[in-house]
Amino acid sequence: TQLLEQSPQFLSIQEGENLTVYCNSSSVFSSLQWYRQEPGEGPVLLVTVVTGGEVKKLKRLTFQFGDARKDSSLHITAAQPGDTGLYLCAGDSGTASKLTFGTGTRLQVTL
Amino acid sequence: SAVISQKPSRDICQRGTSLTIQCQVDSQVTMMFWYRQQPGQSLTLIATANQGSEATYESGFVIDKFPISRPNLTFSTLTVSNMSPEDSSIYLCSGIGTDYGYTFGSGTRLTVV
Repeated sequence: TQLLEQSPQFLSIQEGENLTVYCNSSSVFSSLQWYRQEPGEGPVLLVTVVTGGEVKKLKRLTFQFGDARKDSSLHITAAQPGDTGLYLCAGDSGTASKLTFGTGTRLQVTL
Repeated sequence: SAVISQKPSRDICQRGTSLTIQCQVDSQVTMMFWYRQQPGQSLTLIATANQGSEATYESGFVIDKFPISRPNLTFSTLTVSNMSPEDSSIYLCSGIGTDYGYTFGSGTRLTVV
């Protein structure tokens, strides 16, 4: 069974601070995705990383895929209250397009 | 990306009854999936909904408890049968298409009393 462990599980920070969320596994994934989910909504795809060592930037968010394609990180610069939500990584092993979701990181950004 | 309409958004049901959740996609999807999620926690895959054939279930989930239909490329239903309080959860459908990545419905929050 493939597992994706995220850390930290919960993060409460003030506006303007930086943070990093980690997503680790012992399994290799063909691609890895990051989602943000708000209460009462489904997860919304933020980014997909495919190549080992790949770095993608989405405004204040920077995503990195590990060289061995087993881990990933999400770094947020100058967090804002609008960044509050549940962040989920999800790995695609390439088998029938099924995703394995990480354990989740709840982020709360306060003024 | 596609838009998935999921309904109902929430329901409170008596134990022993069944609830059918519907998902309608505004464009064709190649694959559809059903997930379960405890509030604030991760998603667990229930099954892959196959068009015109029986769904493919993950370990721990069975067709008698979670029958799934997918009569065409844009519509699927999940039924939670003979419900017990342990079935209280958020149920989400998801689709992936050739021109876009994974898209999720907004979820159905089920409470069994």
